[in-house]
Amino acid sequence: QKEVEQNSGPLSVPEGAIASLNCTYSDRGSQSFFWYRQYSGKSPELIMFIYSNGDKEDGRFTAQLNKASQYVSLLIRDSQPSDSATYLCAVNSDGATNKLIFGTGTLLAVQP
Amino acid sequence: NAGVTQTPKFQVLKTGQSMTLQCAQDMNHNSMYWYRQDPGMGLRLIYYSASEGTTDKGEVPNGYNVSRLNKREFSLRLESAAPSQTSVYFCASSASPNTEAFFGQGTRLTVV
Repeated sequence: QKEVEQNSGPLSVPEGAIASLNCTYSDRGSQSFFWYRQYSGKSPELIMFIYSNGDKEDGRFTAQLNKASQYVSLLIRDSQPSDSATYLCAVNSDGATNKLIFGTGTLLAVQP
Repeated sequence: NAGVTQTPKFQVLKTGQSMTLQCAQDMNHNSMYWYRQDPGMGLRLIYYSASEGTTDKGEVPNGYNVSRLNKREFSLRLESAAPSQTSVYFCASSASPNTEAFFGQGTRLTVV
């Protein structure tokens, strides 16, 4: 079982809709959770990070963490065509040694 | 304002050749990472270094070696390249386990 799992997609949503991206992880001791966005041919860039259970909002983005169920999600409100990219979930699977593990990513396509 | 710098950007190797991918960061970060990215596989951790003087295996270490030369530099060596090592390689760094990882621009390696 991969340590961090995501649906590869593609997830297709119309412009202006809410896109919901999900991620599950296997290590219950994980402490830090990150969402990265990667455009084709480019490097990943951080969208959000979350450490505590609950929701964290930043502009059009909301990260949600549920440690009991071992999942983390990213909501993108008012989706724009420029949001079309691969979204990577990353989990620090060992806080002591900083082993940062990524999921396979979900491809999001926002249709104009 | 360089951030994380990888060299080279592109490389073609013949099977059995060796090479070293170089990575340097100027952000005084403690942790550094090497990932490879293949279509549909996401980012897979090859090796990481939680701090200067330490290195640990990630998810796919076979066929690679690393050196944390100093706090700034973390190199990845392929001793005998194989076609299965054709990939895009990313170096990343972070200040601490719970903080954002910054990525280099990637090295596109082809082994023929």
